[in-house]
Amino acid sequence: GAVVSQHPSWVICKSGTSVKIECRSLDFQATTMFWYRQFPKQSLMLMATSNEGSKATYEQGVEKDKFLINHASLTLSTLTVTSAHPEDSSFYICSAPTGANIQYFGAGTRLSVL
Amino acid sequence: GQQLNQSPQSMFIQEGEDVSMNCTSSSIFNTWLWYKQDPGEGPVLLIALYKAGELTSNGRLTAQFGITRKDSFLNISASIPSDVGIYFCAGQTGGYQKVTFGTGTKLQVIP
Repeated sequence: GAVVSQHPSWVICKSGTSVKIECRSLDFQATTMFWYRQFPKQSLMLMATSNEGSKATYEQGVEKDKFLINHASLTLSTLTVTSAHPEDSSFYICSAPTGANIQYFGAGTRLSVL
Repeated sequence: GQQLNQSPQSMFIQEGEDVSMNCTSSSIFNTWLWYKQDPGEGPVLLIALYKAGELTSNGRLTAQFGITRKDSFLNISASIPSDVGIYFCAGQTGGYQKVTFGTGTKLQVIP
């Protein structure tokens, strides 16, 4: 299957700092990518849709100024958690659809904000 | 956001037993997907279903797309310890659209 790479896999940061997470489609191009957040023992909740060359589309209740998304190329989308606080600690996962419209997921990034 | 209702929420089974889990939605989906997630990892696609009534197998896994397009089930036959994990159903309304996830079924296999 297709490969979606996410980096870093784990990050610890101090409260108030910003953290950038990268999502790359390694063997296919993706004009759209998706960012999810998953709290312990819960399902994945969509945060936003990342669109190459245009603004991201955010789900209701997700602060766009706090979770900055940039889809700079057909293989890379980044999520920046700005001014992170302990309540932002979570597991962040990206996905990208292939030409066959099958969503492949990255391995996730565990964010711990101290 | 919207979620699909998945049942059971969790299950303990003996190695070798068959497993069945299902997923229901109040909305129609055009694509149903089943994923498995191991701790600390992203979901891995198991089966994709594209047509109402479709029955698809992947090794010991079999999944069906309900006729009403509002439900799907996943069966695992002859379970083994590595089947342990959380299984998510997911629905998609159209091409390149966002995926809506189910609430998950945690499977534990007793050797």
